[in-house]
Amino acid sequence: ILNVEQSPQSLHVQEGDSTNFTCSFPSSNFYALHWYRWETAKSPEALFVMTLNGDEKKKGRISATLNTKEGYSYLYIKGSQPEDSATYLCAFPNAGNNRKLIWGLGTSLAVNP
Amino acid sequence: SAVISQKPSRDICQRGTSLTIQCQVDSQVTMMFWYRQQPGQSLTLIATANQGSEATYESGFVIDKFPISRPNLTFSTLTVSNMSPEDSSIYLCSVEFNINEQFFGPGTRLTVL
Repeated sequence: ILNVEQSPQSLHVQEGDSTNFTCSFPSSNFYALHWYRWETAKSPEALFVMTLNGDEKKKGRISATLNTKEGYSYLYIKGSQPEDSATYLCAFPNAGNNRKLIWGLGTSLAVNP
Repeated sequence: SAVISQKPSRDICQRGTSLTIQCQVDSQVTMMFWYRQQPGQSLTLIATANQGSEATYESGFVIDKFPISRPNLTFSTLTVSNMSPEDSSIYLCSVEFNINEQFFGPGTRLTVL
């Protein structure tokens, strides 16, 4: 059974702080790693799809890195704002026949103004 | 991308009753999925809704408990039957355009008393 683990489970930061959190996944049979942001009462929103070892992707103040050999990805938020408050989820496709996404529990981020 | 709506957005139901959740997409899609997130748990795939054939259920989920309809390429319903408090969850529908690139509805928050 594949396991996707995220840490920390929750995080409280002050506006302007930079922060990061981790997604760990099985390093064998790597296909892709997905990051989503899920704000309360809204749809989960895709942030990044990462496929190559050493990949780094950026969207505004949010960036992500990928290490497929050791099985982890970091998500960084620079200068956190209250609107960044959300749960950040990572997902890893099962290597099985339908590549079903296996989801982590998420990191819940609260940014205090 | 896709715009996905779900109805109802939330409901409080009595034990033993059933609730049907609707999912509408603004474009024709082949793959539609139903997920749930129970409190403190990760997003879990319930089933894949196939147009013109029966849904494909994941391990631990059965048609009698979660009947699904997919009458056309833009619409699907999920029924949560004979509900118990353990069915209290957020239920999400999603669509997939490219492999594992999923777009989600805003979710239905169900509380079963």
